[in-house]
Amino acid sequence: QVQLQESGPGLVKPSQTLSLTCTVSGGSISSGGYYWSWIRQPAGKGLEWIGRIHNSGSTNYMASLRSRVAMSIYTSKNQVSLNLRSVTAADTAVYYCARMVVGAEYWYFDLWGRGTLVTVSS
Amino acid sequence: QSVLTQPPSVSGAPGRRVTISCTGSSSNIGAPYDVHWYQQVPGTAPKLLIYRNSNRPSGVPDRFSGSKSGTSASLAITGLQADDDGYYYCQSYDNSLGSAIFGGGTKLTVL
Repeated sequence: QVQLQESGPGLVKPSQTLSLTCTVSGGSISSGGYYWSWIRQPAGKGLEWIGRIHNSGSTNYMASLRSRVAMSIYTSKNQVSLNLRSVTAADTAVYYCARMVVGAEYWYFDLWGRGTLVTVSS
Repeated sequence: QSVLTQPPSVSGAPGRRVTISCTGSSSNIGAPYDVHWYQQVPGTAPKLLIYRNSNRPSGVPDRFSGSKSGTSASLAITGLQADDDGYYYCQSYDNSLGSAIFGGGTKLTVL
């Protein structure tokens, strides 16, 4: 079955760039018409959608992060990436990669990775 | 503050029924965009529980059910079990934000 695995540095210094990779196994990242999303969760808090990318390269980002975020997709590697620039302590969170099902009246996340904790600290 | 409003906590005894509400607005649930529910056991990733208002993914017991009306939705859990303990999040799409949105989450305690 399809599985998602996040990877990347667990510690990032303030003002630097947070870079994470999501590797999809058990299926092609290009099949099924899915989008791929990043979602984060600060400790003890709720879920926050960051953005999504399609295998065509089309992206959509949360408005408040749009100036700092970029997502890319690498179909030959079955990977999607997240870059978040100029991080602060407020960006400390568990970051999840999730597969997104999209229709005219719905967006939802049917598969999730285990998540990776990123701490922003000097 | 979340765009979708959920009660912070609910509780119930084993075997009983609980409901969790999710209230939105005309730019999301009332637009109308579908509502989805996720279960999160602390320390683990969220898991899709209900999609498109009332549909259960394969493997989710029929003790879990969802409904939607107007600008609100509800998740009902019958026959409470100890391993239902955890957090539950509703989620939808908001057309004024152009974003997926989540409720603040509800902590379910099985007494």
